Amino acid sequence: QVQLVQSGAEVKKPGASVKVSCKASGYTFSDYYMHWVRQAPGQGLEWMGWINPNSGDTNYAQKFQGRVTVTGDTSITTTYMDVSGLRFDDTAVYYCARAGSVLGLSDAFHMWGQGTPVTVSS
Amino acid sequence: EIVLTQSPGTLSLSPGERATLSCRASQSVPNRNLAWYQQKPGQAPSLVIYGASSRATGIPDRFSGSGSGTDFTLTISRLEPEDFAVYYCQQYETSPRTFGQGTKLEIK
Repeated sequence: QVQLVQSGAEVKKPGASVKVSCKASGYTFSDYYMHWVRQAPGQGLEWMGWINPNSGDTNYAQKFQGRVTVTGDTSITTTYMDVSGLRFDDTAVYYCARAGSVLGLSDAFHMWGQGTPVTVSS
Repeated sequence: EIVLTQSPGTLSLSPGERATLSCRASQSVPNRNLAWYQQKPGQAPSLVIYGASSRATGIPDRFSGSGSGTDFTLTISRLEPEDFAVYYCQQYETSPRTFGQGTKLEIK
């Protein structure tokens, strides 16, 4: 069945970087856009960006441009999200989420990873 | 950027009652590309409704979505105990994708 399995919890110091992975299985990896969403403690959902795993094209929310990089490795069906220059307010659960239809850019998020908690603490 | 405003912030109801959740957009959402997600404590969100009115796989028919333009509604006809959760609306047509702030549906 379709699964998105994310890497484990991380604790980082301010100014450091973190790389979260999202391993996909059960479908053709390159056919579906992958998005990243985060949720700060007790807060709502915030969209960060997407990647087209087939082409490598990416798009980011303006507030994350220059600090967030999303990449994909089709050989191991894994997407990565790298956040640099971590700040205390980057403490959140980070989710990968897959679009629902083949090459569907304007599509809802039909499948979600389990989430990766990232804590920024000195 | 399309801003989504959900109301009410908290809705207190009893099992068996009808729930009506609202999502209002700051500008028209093209192609009715609006979704609703359910999130329970400690879990990832899960898709309930997409395309404003289509139920996601496995979602029971007590869930329905309606609306277009700037006003959208999620209705749960007869609440079951497992329906109590936080619900988020999202527009997925324009960039950035945006979410509402959420409605917490709690047991009265």
